[in-house]
Amino acid sequence: NAGVTQTPKFQVLKTGQSMTLQCAQDMNHEYMSWYRQDPGMGLRLIHYSVGAGITDQGEVPNGYNVSRSTTEDFPLRLLSAAPSQTSVYFCASSYSSISSYEQYFGPGTRLTVT
Amino acid sequence: AQSVTQPDIHITVSEGASLELRCNYSYGATPYLFWYVQSPGQGLQLLLKYFSGDTLVQGIKGFEAEFKRSQSSFNLRKPSVHWSDAAEYFCAVGDSNYQLIWGAGTKLIIKP
Repeated sequence: NAGVTQTPKFQVLKTGQSMTLQCAQDMNHEYMSWYRQDPGMGLRLIHYSVGAGITDQGEVPNGYNVSRSTTEDFPLRLLSAAPSQTSVYFCASSYSSISSYEQYFGPGTRLTVT
Repeated sequence: AQSVTQPDIHITVSEGASLELRCNYSYGATPYLFWYVQSPGQGLQLLLKYFSGDTLVQGIKGFEAEFKRSQSSFNLRKPSVHWSDAAEYFCAVGDSNYQLIWGAGTKLIIKP
């Protein structure tokens, strides 16, 4: 199993550009989530999904969109990048929403917005 | 409001010495508590968890943590650290919506 994979590993965007961060898992997990990690702030939940076709907002959803058309994939879209979105982004998955405390993380995407 | 506090931003420990990382939480009900580790350039990995029962829980890589309700704490310990333990450690509490509330993390530095 590859586990949770994320692409790209690094990305530099200009303000106003859009892009999609890719996330895939091969563990048949129902629950998937996106976090951003900023120095001194721990992880903050952006969006999550409890199954294909179902998504919901987390703590900091503004400026981001998600969709879940398949169990495996959970892409995160930045609609119009802003410098405040410079961060490290992690995708995570777990077997189900009830077990969502025990999450498997991808290696992260480091995004810089200039 | 629910919160998790990790008072130490950085901790430096000599290789072979013992380690204790502090975690305090604020949560109204019985907490579900977790420690995750993030090695450099990697995603996070679950070290150990507490749901109920024995307040001393064992995890992977020789780590343990003790839940103390009276102190609202869930400190992480290891008797003898190795250079490979250098990483950032995150404490988290699970809320009633099956979400994790994260501490800000403690970076562990190992002196040779």
